[in-house]
Amino acid sequence: KAGVTQTPRYLIKTRGQQVTLSCSPISGHRSVSWYQQTPGQGLQFLFEYFSETQRNKGNFPGRFSGRQFSNSRSEMNVSTLELGDSALYLCASSLVPSGSTDTQYFGPGTRLTVL
Amino acid sequence: GQNIDQPTEMTATEGAIVQINCTYQTSGFNGLFWYQQHAGEAPTFLSYNVLDGLEEKGRFSSFLSRSKGYSYLLLKELQMKDSASYLCAVRIGAGANNLFFGTGTRLTVIP
Repeated sequence: KAGVTQTPRYLIKTRGQQVTLSCSPISGHRSVSWYQQTPGQGLQFLFEYFSETQRNKGNFPGRFSGRQFSNSRSEMNVSTLELGDSALYLCASSLVPSGSTDTQYFGPGTRLTVL
Repeated sequence: GQNIDQPTEMTATEGAIVQINCTYQTSGFNGLFWYQQHAGEAPTFLSYNVLDGLEEKGRFSSFLSRSKGYSYLLLKELQMKDSASYLCAVRIGAGANNLFFGTGTRLTVIP
């Protein structure tokens, strides 16, 4: 079974631009969560989607948004990019949200550099 | 607020045993996870604890004490490939699937 895939793997953008990142979960997984990883802050939760609905949201500004499609694939969008948005963006999928033993499996991430 | 503390770095010798501690103060605790992350790679799942006690999985074991807000990851028979960051994460809230991560412990295994 294929793992979580994320595209693109690397992106370079300039300040003020916007970017869209894509995540395809493991087949059969319906919950997708997004995280931002930076050297200073570590892994921080952005938001979670299940059945095309945002279930939870972390403490990030409204410039960060996402959506999920009927096939469980998800996209996240960052508008008006800032230098501080440079990070590794990780997507994680799980079978269902918060089953008693459910586990999130991470994709390889998209490395975003903002110049 | 939420807080997770782990040591920043640890060094251990190949073949030895190492214990990585994690203390947490969070609301709505719904399970604790340990992930391994090699440099430049995605985190990979190691273990999950939701009840107090020890979970053993091969060379890796994880312990949880909910009353103390404490967990540890025990790695036995260390191998060079175990050099990585180890992330402690708490799932917050019932019905939620967001993980709150510590900043991770970078483990270096030396010959």
